[in-house]
Amino acid sequence: GAVVSQHPSWVICKSGTSVKIECRSLDFQATTMFWYRQFPKQSLMLMATSNEGSKATYEQGVEKDKFLINHASLTLSTLTVTSAHPEDSSFYICSARVQGLGGNQPQHFGDGTRLSIL
Amino acid sequence: AQSVTQPDIHITVSEGASLELRCNYSYGATPYLFWYVQSPGQGLQLLLKYFSGDTLVQGIKGFEAEFKRSQSSFNLRKPSVHWSDAAEYFCAVGGGSGNTGKLIFGQGTTLQVKP
Repeated sequence: GAVVSQHPSWVICKSGTSVKIECRSLDFQATTMFWYRQFPKQSLMLMATSNEGSKATYEQGVEKDKFLINHASLTLSTLTVTSAHPEDSSFYICSARVQGLGGNQPQHFGDGTRLSIL
Repeated sequence: AQSVTQPDIHITVSEGASLELRCNYSYGATPYLFWYVQSPGQGLQLLLKYFSGDTLVQGIKGFEAEFKRSQSSFNLRKPSVHWSDAAEYFCAVGGGSGNTGKLIFGQGTTLQVKP
């Protein structure tokens, strides 16, 4: 149980285009999802907390207009990297928590998306 | 300040040997503690978690961890390492009042397994 699917797993695109990454909880409902960025050989950096039906909460230093987050349902959150540039190339990972079981539930992670901007 | 420290960036052990990965945390409230494993190019898989109760917790793949409040530690152990255990391991802490579910991750420990 608690499977999180992330799509696409790898995307290569030209500079200036926008890229959408989807994060789905397959067998549970998630009111809260998280988006992370990971640089090579480094830990995860939390970008934002995505809440179903409300605006995302961004971490300090993360550009809201650059990284658009939409959490329209209890099983889907999307991250759109707008007007992507080579410095946005990274590994993006989402996670989700099971709804309604208290604050101590673990996060379940997707398999990540490798984004390469040419 | 809230933080997680994994003192060992890289560890190499021989297959069949025992393993201990260290994790120290600083957290202002009752911590919820987690260990995750990440294979190259993959997401994170939960190995085990500690919320309360027995301080020795068992996880998947033969891993266990012990919560020691007095030492602010949550070290991960495995009695006999397999070659497939080679991966990146992350310790994380979360919880407390007004818990948002956010986790603070350590820097990670890369485990290499020698044949």
